[in-house]
Amino acid sequence: GNSVTQMEGPVTLSEEAFLTINCTYTATGYPSLFWYVQYPGEGLQLLLKATKADDKGSNKGFEATYRKETTSFHLEKGSVQVSDSAVYFCALSAFSGGYNKLIFGAGTRLAVHP
Amino acid sequence: ETGVTQTPRHLVMGMTNKKSLKCEQHLGHNAMYWYKQSAKKPLELMFVYNFKEQTENNSVPSRFSPECPNSSHLFLHLHTLQPEDSALYLCASSQQQGGNQPQHFGDGTRLSIL
Repeated sequence: GNSVTQMEGPVTLSEEAFLTINCTYTATGYPSLFWYVQYPGEGLQLLLKATKADDKGSNKGFEATYRKETTSFHLEKGSVQVSDSAVYFCALSAFSGGYNKLIFGAGTRLAVHP
Repeated sequence: ETGVTQTPRHLVMGMTNKKSLKCEQHLGHNAMYWYKQSAKKPLELMFVYNFKEQTENNSVPSRFSPECPNSSHLFLHLHTLQPEDSALYLCASSQQQGGNQPQHFGDGTRLSIL
């Protein structure tokens, strides 16, 4: 079946540190991959996406590369800020039951300290 | 400012009450979704509507009853809920159900069952 596995949090970093949040997936076919972010008290916002192998999605200094050979879509940022503190969700869009549906990972909480 | 608005933001109700959650999207989308977000669990898809027709009921108990009168509005009617139903309920919309369009989320309704 289709599933997404993320590294467990929380991830705690100091400001300006390098961030990696691991995400691997299993899927039939050729899914699109997404990272969503949820700030405290808010819903999920699309952060970036990639629709085919070797695509790199990027936004707000975050980036992730669709790696088909390792079935991974790890999120990275070179220098995090306190304002990046949030929960990050990896997701895939897969064809199931006659239509494309989003399947989310469990989320990884990031806490950035000054 | 999100294009998906949910009301109320917070709701406390007893197990015998009847209440409704409302979602409205201003994005011209044709598909709308209800999700349940509980602590330490992956996001759970509950219902999907595409062009006002329900296309997914993800084994949700009958005490949750969705209604989609038009493509811009989605309701979740609640009755005789259980304590384990306490969660954040998120509404989302996308251009249509198929394809790889991202979903846009509201800020959610935080539901507490006494």
